[in-house]
Amino acid sequence: AQSVTQLDSQVPVFEEAPVELRCNYSSSVSVYLFWYVQYPNQGLQLLLKYLSGSTLVKGINGFEAEFNKSQTSFHLRKPSVHISDTAEYFCAVIKMDTGRRALTFGSGTRLQVQP
Amino acid sequence: DTEVTQTPKHLVMGMTNKKSLKCEQHMGHRAMYWYKQKAKKPPELMFVYSYEKLSINESVPSRFSPECPNSSLLNLHLHALQPEDSALYLCASSQGQGASSTEAFFGQGTRLTVV
Repeated sequence: AQSVTQLDSQVPVFEEAPVELRCNYSSSVSVYLFWYVQYPNQGLQLLLKYLSGSTLVKGINGFEAEFNKSQTSFHLRKPSVHISDTAEYFCAVIKMDTGRRALTFGSGTRLQVQP
Repeated sequence: DTEVTQTPKHLVMGMTNKKSLKCEQHMGHRAMYWYKQKAKKPPELMFVYSYEKLSINESVPSRFSPECPNSSLLNLHLHALQPEDSALYLCASSQGQGASSTEAFFGQGTRLTVV
């Protein structure tokens, strides 16, 4: 069963426009949620994470995400994007019901920022 | 130092060759991971080492053999690979596998091509 669903495979957006990348997870137990960014031919870099506490999480590079337990969502947002934000973005989850404390990734969303 | 270093960056090998991928971190992390990432796909977990012991093997074929010689090093030995094994191999590390140590740091990856 898919644990993490990223509904949009590609999101084109103009520079300085706001953007939202969607992520939904499926789990009957507590989860930790993450957003990672991958630039071309690079490894992954953590943008932000939700472990507990405040549902609004702020990350690096002006990104933020909101954990919504009722909608099982963890959407990533940025109020104004730059050309340099063009990259692949992965939502990931760690389920807390097992000893498998490793990341499971969604399929990814390609953010393409156009001038 | 928040770096995970992977060598080599690129590797081309024949199907009868034996080669090794190396990963090193000096952050004192006690969990280390190997992920495989095919083009335009998310990373898929292969192995997890926790305190130098193999804790997760995601049913990876035996032509991939991991090794953790000490807490800073992680190797992936390759033998008799197939062309479909061509991918980006990512190493990651985290403090451990407890709740407060979930942030995984990724290396830049080794781009492997099997000919």
